Amino acid sequence: GQNIDQPTEMTATEGAIVQINCTYQTSGFNGLFWYQQHAGEAPTFLSYNVLDGLEEKGRFSSFLSRSKGYSYLLLKELQMKDSASYLCAVLLPYNFNKFYFGSGTKLNVKP
Amino acid sequence: NAGVTQTPKFQVLKTGQSMTLQCAQDMNHEYMSWYRQDPGMGLRLIHYSVGAGITDQGEVPNGYNVSRSTTEDFPLRLLSAAPSQTSVYFCASSYTLQGSDTQYFGPGTRLTVL
Repeated sequence: GQNIDQPTEMTATEGAIVQINCTYQTSGFNGLFWYQQHAGEAPTFLSYNVLDGLEEKGRFSSFLSRSKGYSYLLLKELQMKDSASYLCAVLLPYNFNKFYFGSGTKLNVKP
Repeated sequence: NAGVTQTPKFQVLKTGQSMTLQCAQDMNHEYMSWYRQDPGMGLRLIHYSVGAGITDQGEVPNGYNVSRSTTEDFPLRLLSAAPSQTSVYFCASSYTLQGSDTQYFGPGTRLTVL
């Protein structure tokens, strides 16, 4: 079976930096995605990694180590609007590519 | 572009009833999928399609049927609703789901089965 682990909940302070970890054990790997989901809304795409290393996009960065089955999402200069759930998902190669999601990490940003 | 649309937004069913959740996209995407989201369990793939006439099962397909007769539409049918199917259902689409091609999600349907 597939396994993706993320912390259930984290709390951080406005203006700070927070790192959300994701570890995965999957039968195959075609890339790792991070999504943001505000309460009551649909997930929206944040980042994609398929090679080892860091991808930076404004205040958000994502890191991947395929040998360790590990990724993290780094959020800098936290804002109140960053309070949301962050979903880690692995793209699996089967008959056709398909996603497998972790349970998500709920981030609470406090003033 | 309306993106990915889903109807209805909310639905209450009685056990044993059947219904169809509608999903449509106007981006000419080949890949469409259905997920359910339950508290503490993340998104779980129900069924997906890589083009008109081609569907495949995801992690949790039991109790659901799909078909894809056009590129734009991908309805999800609940054959005989059960309380265990109470969930939020998301439809998503993408061009090919290759490389960095991401999925775009619809707003969701909140289903309660009594």
